[in-house]
Amino acid sequence: AQSVTQLDSQVPVFEEAPVELRCNYSSSVSVYLFWYVQYPNQGLQLLLKYLSGSTLVESINGFEAEFNKSQTSFHLRKPSVHISDTAEYFCAVSGKTSYDKVIFGPGTSLSVIP
Amino acid sequence: DVKVTQSSRYLVKRTGEKVFLECVQDMDHENMFWYRQDPGLGLRLIYFSYDVKMKEKGDIPEGYSVSREKKERFSLILESASTNQTSMYLCASGVQKVQPQHFGDGTRLSIL
Repeated sequence: AQSVTQLDSQVPVFEEAPVELRCNYSSSVSVYLFWYVQYPNQGLQLLLKYLSGSTLVESINGFEAEFNKSQTSFHLRKPSVHISDTAEYFCAVSGKTSYDKVIFGPGTSLSVIP
Repeated sequence: DVKVTQSSRYLVKRTGEKVFLECVQDMDHENMFWYRQDPGLGLRLIYFSYDVKMKEKGDIPEGYSVSREKKERFSLILESASTNQTSMYLCASGVQKVQPQHFGDGTRLSIL
């Protein structure tokens, strides 16, 4: 079974500053990793995912995450945040078989301050 | 634009009532999911369905049932609502089994 830890429940950051949202996972098997974003009063959207290959994955809106197998981490970063990035961010993990469910972390609330 | 539609954004019911939450997707996805979202707990899977009339229990199925009579529609049923079922409920669909891709906007359910 897999589990996900997001150490920071809330992250306030000033506009145009860099941000890192931390995610660590636990698993005895190889995994897929995901970041989802939930804007206020909306459902979740898949932001980016790591399935295989390059350990650095990017989203279309400037976020990136790096899979670090030795540290079992998949931290999300953005070099310069905008007000519109204010949202809840969920890290998630699953095993690689068709029977492995996606397990979500508790979420990190990112607040961008003008 | 792909869409997962949940019938209600907000719902208030009384304890003991039978509650139906409806979800419709327009992407012809085989797989549909129901989650509940609680602060500090993230999303927890209640049930999912990988085909019409097929269903599997997720991590917290107690007190819930589901119905999938048509491919596009997946209903969550609270047989006898209790106050500890007050929560945000999210429906999702996806191409891959057990991997949600597209979510609805959620139903915030309050049981009084």
